[in-house]
Amino acid sequence: EVQVLESGGGLVQPGGSLRLSCAASGFIFSSYAMNWVRQTPGKGLEWVSGISGDGDSTYYADSVKGRFTISRDNSKNTLYLQMNSLRVEDTAVYYCAKDPGDHPSWFDHWGQGTLVTVSS
Amino acid sequence: DIVMTQSPDSLAVSLGERATIDCQSSQSVFYSSNNKNYLAWYQQKPGQPPKLLIYWASIRESGVPERFSGSGFGSDFTLTISGLQAEDVAVYYCQQYYSSWTFGQGTKVEIK
Repeated sequence: EVQVLESGGGLVQPGGSLRLSCAASGFIFSSYAMNWVRQTPGKGLEWVSGISGDGDSTYYADSVKGRFTISRDNSKNTLYLQMNSLRVEDTAVYYCAKDPGDHPSWFDHWGQGTLVTVSS
Repeated sequence: DIVMTQSPDSLAVSLGERATIDCQSSQSVFYSSNNKNYLAWYQQKPGQPPKLLIYWASIRESGVPERFSGSGFGSDFTLTISGLQAEDVAVYYCQQYYSSWTFGQGTKVEIK
């Protein structure tokens, strides 16, 4: 059974940093692109970042480019999102989402999400 | 970015009746080289992550009930729930993956 489980969320002050992790199981992790998608009550669902199966290709939304870094450790079946220079508007539930193939497209499995709150 | 606009924002349908949700993209998401529309639909129930229903605009994900169907071409798409069940109460989102990845604002489906 495919499972993805996020961790690392919490409360952080504006300008601070946080690293999210997503542990994957039930599939050959290195064969699939992975993504981060966030959700807020006001802005709905927003794709944040994606990475190819081998980690060589990365993609970012303009809203996080230069502040967030996506990476993966295929030996540990784990996806990461390093978030720096956090802003109040980054407050959201962050989901890890698996792709059906090696290049980000649609998202066929989602984790339960981890809440990130940016506030002073 | 391609903007996805869904209509209506919410709708109430009687059990067993049809629910129809429209999704319009600000530009075509049809790729002529492979004859595919780069459009997916998701269902999100309260307290749960989104669940994939449809991809390539009309292909039902494995395990999704046949009462869910997707249609459309280019910039105009529709999700139809034929014979609404109580467990279908949820928010539904469309998503394009033609250029970057963007979602519609969501449509809340309730029982009348």
